Amino acid sequence: EVQLLESGGGLVQPGGSLRLSCAASGFTFSNYAMSWVRQAPGKGLEWVSDISGSGRTTYYADSVKGRFTISRDNSKNTLYFQMNSLRAEDTAVYYCAKDRYLDSSSGAFDIWGQGTMVSVSS
Amino acid sequence: DIQMTQSPSSLSASVGDRVTVTCQASQDISDYLNWYQQKPGKAPKLLIYDASNLETGVPSRFSGSGSGTDFTFTISSLQPEDIATYYCQQYDNIPYTFGQGTKLEI
Repeated sequence: EVQLLESGGGLVQPGGSLRLSCAASGFTFSNYAMSWVRQAPGKGLEWVSDISGSGRTTYYADSVKGRFTISRDNSKNTLYFQMNSLRAEDTAVYYCAKDRYLDSSSGAFDIWGQGTMVSVSS
Repeated sequence: DIQMTQSPSSLSASVGDRVTVTCQASQDISDYLNWYQQKPGKAPKLLIYDASNLETGVPSRFSGSGSGTDFTFTISSLQPEDIATYYCQQYDNIPYTFGQGTKLEI
């Protein structure tokens, strides 16, 4: 079964840091681009970052560029999201999502994790 | 950034009804459009990709159409388990952007 399992969320003070992880199983992880998509409480979906299957190419939304870093360890089938300089507006459920297409950062997401909540508050 | 405008933002319908949601892109995105279903407290689920292709395992009462800037999502006969919020999403350009969602109620 194809599965994504996020972890690492929690409560952090403004200006703090957090690292999210997403453990993948049931597919050849290195063959697929992966993304992080977030959803603020009661709000819609916002794509925030994407990484190619090899890890060599990354993309970011302007709202997180320079503060957040996406990475992956294909030997561990795990996606990461290092979040620094956190702000109140970063409060959201963070989902990792698998690209639908092989060897492509298409932006079509066919498998999603269950999400991990990040709360930024003093 | 490409803006995605969905309408309506909420919709009340009865079991068996035909339900239609529209999504308009601020520029031509060809057919690079997905539709997702999100139930409360759950992750989104891909229903339609490339504007009109049904994802594997998704019931055939769901369908999508359109290209360019104007797209339509249809449920041919609404079922109780279809209660959810539906989002369109363009993947023609980064940043990938979503519509604001359509909350469907029975």
